Amino acid sequence: AQSVTQPDIHITVSEGASLELRCNYSYGATPYLFWYVQSPGQGLQLLLKYFSGDTLVQGIKGFEAEFKRSQSSFNLRKPSVHWSDAAEYFCAVGEEDYGGSQGNLIFGKGTKLSVKP
Amino acid sequence: SQTIHQWPATLVQPVGSPLSLECTVEGTSNPNLYWYRQAAGRGLQLLFYSIGIDQISSEVPQNLSASRPQDRQFILSSKKLLLSDSGFYLCASASGNTEAFFGQGTRLTVV
Repeated sequence: AQSVTQPDIHITVSEGASLELRCNYSYGATPYLFWYVQSPGQGLQLLLKYFSGDTLVQGIKGFEAEFKRSQSSFNLRKPSVHWSDAAEYFCAVGEEDYGGSQGNLIFGKGTKLSVKP
Repeated sequence: SQTIHQWPATLVQPVGSPLSLECTVEGTSNPNLYWYRQAAGRGLQLLFYSIGIDQISSEVPQNLSASRPQDRQFILSSKKLLLSDSGFYLCASASGNTEAFFGQGTRLTVV
C-alpha cells in the first residue's frame, strides 16, 4: 500500500542552526513528491515539489529537498532556521489525477518544528 | 493563482446535529476539488474529491457526504454528527497541471 512516513513527530532546533526533516515513502511507481507547511490553525502552503529531473529541488523560504530513489526518501533541508519557520511540516506523495492536477495526495503525519532563540 | 475560501473557521456542534461546510474557489475554472480531514495524531486524510459538477468520489466510508452544485463550490455535509467527526477540515483545489491549493480550514468540534 502507498504510504508516507515522517519518523520525527517533533523537532527542536536553535535559530540559525541547520535543519533536516525526514520523509520516506512507499509507492508503486515514481511518485510526485511534495512538502507542505502549516502554521497553527491555518491551511497548508506548498514549499516545494518534485516530479522529475534534477533530484535536488529548491523551494520557497530557503528550503530545499533531495529525492533519493534508492532510499525512497525526500528529506527537507534548510541551512539556517529562522524563528518564523516554527510550524508543522507535511510530506506528501501523489500522482496525476484527472486533468493533470496533483490534489489526490497521501500525507505523512507531520513533523512539528520548534525553534529556540 | 487560486484562492480557496472556507467557512466557518470554527464550529462547535452537538452530537446528532447536521453539518454543512462550504468551500468556494476563485482564480480558476473547472478545478478538481478535494475535502481532507486532519484528526489529532492521524495526519491528513482525503475524504472526497470531485472532477466536475455533481461528480463526487468518496475515498473512505463515513458519516459524511459531499456535493458540488456549481463548478467552484464544494460542500461537505452530514445529517447527524458523531463525536468522531471532530477534526480540522481542509478544502483544496487543483487544476491544469498544478499542485493542490488549500483553504484556511474549518475546526469542527462535536460535543
